[in-house]
Amino acid sequence: AQSVTQPDARVTVSEGASLQLRCKYSYSGTPYLFWYVQYPRQGLQLLLKYYSGDPVVQGVNGFEAEFSKSNSSFHLRKASVHWSDSAVYFCVLSAPNTNKVVFGTGTRLQVLP
Amino acid sequence: EAAVTQSPRNKVAVTGGKVTLSCNQTNNHNNMYWYRQDTGHGLRLIHYSYGAGSTEKGDIPDGYKASRPSQENFSLILELATPSQTSVYFCASGDWGGAQNTLYFGAGTRLSVL
Repeated sequence: AQSVTQPDARVTVSEGASLQLRCKYSYSGTPYLFWYVQYPRQGLQLLLKYYSGDPVVQGVNGFEAEFSKSNSSFHLRKASVHWSDSAVYFCVLSAPNTNKVVFGTGTRLQVLP
Repeated sequence: EAAVTQSPRNKVAVTGGKVTLSCNQTNNHNNMYWYRQDTGHGLRLIHYSYGAGSTEKGDIPDGYKASRPSQENFSLILELATPSQTSVYFCASGDWGGAQNTLYFGAGTRLSVL
């Protein structure tokens, strides 16, 4: 069965600092992997996605993520965070043969001004 | 632009009452999903559908029914609402394969069962 683990429930960084949000997955094949962001009282918005090709994928607002099959990871990064990046970030996996989607529990990011 | 619309946005229900949450998508996606979001649990899958007329149980289907009468519409039904079903519910649509690998979410429905 597939699963997604986001080991950090909360991350706090200062504005302008670099960021890494961790995501580990469990799946025997090659999954679709996504990062979504949820701002307060809003739905989830797609940041970026990966299925094949270059393991480093670029997303919106300067975010990128790197897929590692050997480490079963899909960590999200940003070189310099802004206070408006404060939100909850979800790592998401989809197993292509089932069409089911599995969410991590989310990481709440707080950016201090 | 892909769009998923949920209604109502907020709902207060009484214990034992019937609640219907509606979802409409204009993306022409085959797959639609209902999730609930609770603190400490992230999003959990309740029901999903592969297309009109189909519904499948997700990870936490107990106490919920689903209906997919058309490609565009997917409803979540609580026949006998309980306080434990107080939550925020999200609908999503998506298709898989190549550039279509994306889930689109509605803005959510905040349900309180008193």
